[in-house]
Amino acid sequence: AQSVTQPDIHITVSEGASLELRCNYSYGATPYLFWYVQSPGQGLQLLLKYFSGDTLVQGIKGFEAEFKRSQSSFNLRKPSVHWSDAAEYFCAVGALAAGNKLTFGGGTRVLVKP
Amino acid sequence: NAGVTQTPKFQVLKTGQSMTLQCAQDMNHEYMSWYRQDPGMGLRLIHYSVGAGITDQGEVPNGYNVSRSTTEDFPLRLLSAAPSQTSVYFCASSYSSGQGSYTFGSGTRLTVV
Repeated sequence: AQSVTQPDIHITVSEGASLELRCNYSYGATPYLFWYVQSPGQGLQLLLKYFSGDTLVQGIKGFEAEFKRSQSSFNLRKPSVHWSDAAEYFCAVGALAAGNKLTFGGGTRVLVKP
Repeated sequence: NAGVTQTPKFQVLKTGQSMTLQCAQDMNHEYMSWYRQDPGMGLRLIHYSVGAGITDQGEVPNGYNVSRSTTEDFPLRLLSAAPSQTSVYFCASSYSSGQGSYTFGSGTRLTVV
């Protein structure tokens, strides 16, 4: 069975500083990987996804993620955070052969200091 | 506006009561899912559907029923509410070719007392 671990529950970063969120996964086959963002009181919005090909994936809002098979990781990065990036971020792995089922990590809450 | 609509947004139930959480999408998506979100646990899949008339269990199905009589609607029924079902519930949908690119509703916050 697949699983996702996000080691950091909370991260605080200053506005303008860089951000990196960690994600480690366990999956028996080639993984389909996703990052979603949830603003307070809202549903989840897809930031980016990886299926195959280039291991550095670009997403919306200036985010990117790098797939490293050897480390079973899919870390999310942003070079310079904005106050509006304060949110909760979820990494997920997909079992696309079984109805597009997603398994989510526990989430990382990002706080942005002015 | 196209998207996933969930109702109600908030609900308080007494232990033992039943209710239905509604979910509707107008994007003609084949796949629909229900997740629950609990602090520190991310989202966990309750039930999902790959098309009208077809449903299956997810990771945490006990205490919940679903049906999919139309492409648009995917209601979630709580049969006899328990405090352990206090959570935020999200409905999501995608094309069968969407490869995990789900559109999420804004959620229903349920409290069982």
